[in-house]
Amino acid sequence: ETGVTQTPRHLVMGMTNKKSLKCEQHLGHNAMYWYKQSAKKPLELMFVYNFKEQTENNSVPSRFSPECPNSSHLFLHLHTLQPEDSALYLCASSQTGTSGRETQYFGPGTRLLVL
Amino acid sequence: AQKVTQAQTEISVVEKEDVTLDCVYETRDTTYYLFWYKQPPSGELVFLIRRNSFDEQNEISGRYSWNFQKSTSSFNFTITASQVVDSAVYFCALRSTGTASKLTFGTGTRLQVTL
Repeated sequence: ETGVTQTPRHLVMGMTNKKSLKCEQHLGHNAMYWYKQSAKKPLELMFVYNFKEQTENNSVPSRFSPECPNSSHLFLHLHTLQPEDSALYLCASSQTGTSGRETQYFGPGTRLLVL
Repeated sequence: AQKVTQAQTEISVVEKEDVTLDCVYETRDTTYYLFWYKQPPSGELVFLIRRNSFDEQNEISGRYSWNFQKSTSSFNFTITASQVVDSAVYFCALRSTGTASKLTFGTGTRLQVTL
């Protein structure tokens, strides 16, 4: 399998449920990202991991909990979500360096609906 | 602060027409990188091109071409002889070397190509 994969592709959950989104990259990259894409809004960066260490958290509510056990896998644990959390959640990876030119490659996303 | 503006929310063209998607950016950094991504209905963001701020040469790849004009802070994308498969949302993005992992996206332009 190549590129960045995400599972599940679709998820419907109630506000009291706990679920996890999974992302796996097969590109040998050292950085991984979670983005949220809501209708009519720009992509929002949620979390960044470099070499398994979280380097950025853009004021994301604690009901979203990321986990990065190694450079190839990234999870987003969800609990007690709100309907406004319904969105497309995109994972990306890149090979970071000092130049800033690295390109982020994206997975197909998980379309989440919170009822 | 960085900003990317894609003023065209939606564009509709008939197949074989040429279409240009506009992108205007703001940054105080002298070294930065610009990107275009395509998001088809399946959801995945597909990387199309990366340009750095020191290279103002226009680029052509098949039916795609990009016009980078530093003087007007624009990085426009033209599709020649559009096809139905070009229907997607197109995002322009900016990354400066001084902003670590942060990729700033525009709000996207939805392109609809009809027969």
